[in-house]
Amino acid sequence: AQKITQTQPGMFVQEKEAVTLDCTYDTSDQSYGLFWYKQPSSGEMIFLIYQGSYDEQNATEGRYSLNFQKARKSANLVISASQLGDSAMYFCAMRPLFDYKLSFGAGTTVTVRA
Amino acid sequence: GAVVSQHPSWVICKSGTSVKIECRSLDFQATTMFWYRQFPKQSLMLMATSNEGSKATYEQGVEKDKFLINHASLTLSTLTVTSAHPEDSSFYICSATSSGSPIGELFFGEGSRLTVL
Repeated sequence: AQKITQTQPGMFVQEKEAVTLDCTYDTSDQSYGLFWYKQPSSGEMIFLIYQGSYDEQNATEGRYSLNFQKARKSANLVISASQLGDSAMYFCAMRPLFDYKLSFGAGTTVTVRA
Repeated sequence: GAVVSQHPSWVICKSGTSVKIECRSLDFQATTMFWYRQFPKQSLMLMATSNEGSKATYEQGVEKDKFLINHASLTLSTLTVTSAHPEDSSFYICSATSSGSPIGELFFGEGSRLTVL
């Protein structure tokens, strides 16, 4: 069984600044994948970034980077140069490597201020 | 990326009626699809795993007679909320993974917002 914890219900960030969203997880699986998704108010789920448990380097995807600390079981998302369009709910998720069933954290609502 | 389409986006129905939600993979074949339910400002809760050609696997606490799932083809899964009641009002979202994706991320439909009066 997996458990994903996002302790920040909501965050405010100034436009053009960076923001870090926390995610910790617990799993008994040795191989797993970590994902971040963005959910705007419209409801669709947008895939942002992926980190495999055996990946040695932190994943980056444009303005998104994942600060992966395996020993601490954390996978924080960093959004650099925030834009107004980044205002949304962000979910951390994980699954065992050989199972597509994804478990989600509680989510963090990010509001970008002009 | 792979595209998953859900229909309808919004549905309002009277209590006691049944509602069917369709989930289609438009440009790939999905042997497995997942149905999630989401209450406002909350996380996505997995309801069931839909497997093409076989019975769905429901998560603990999900009534399979209330939420009927059919996955009759490699591109279509349907969720039918039977005898809907106001407490079934929620956002339902489906997802699928494409074998063409190297990391196996889930691609989500647009979601269906159900309101039961």
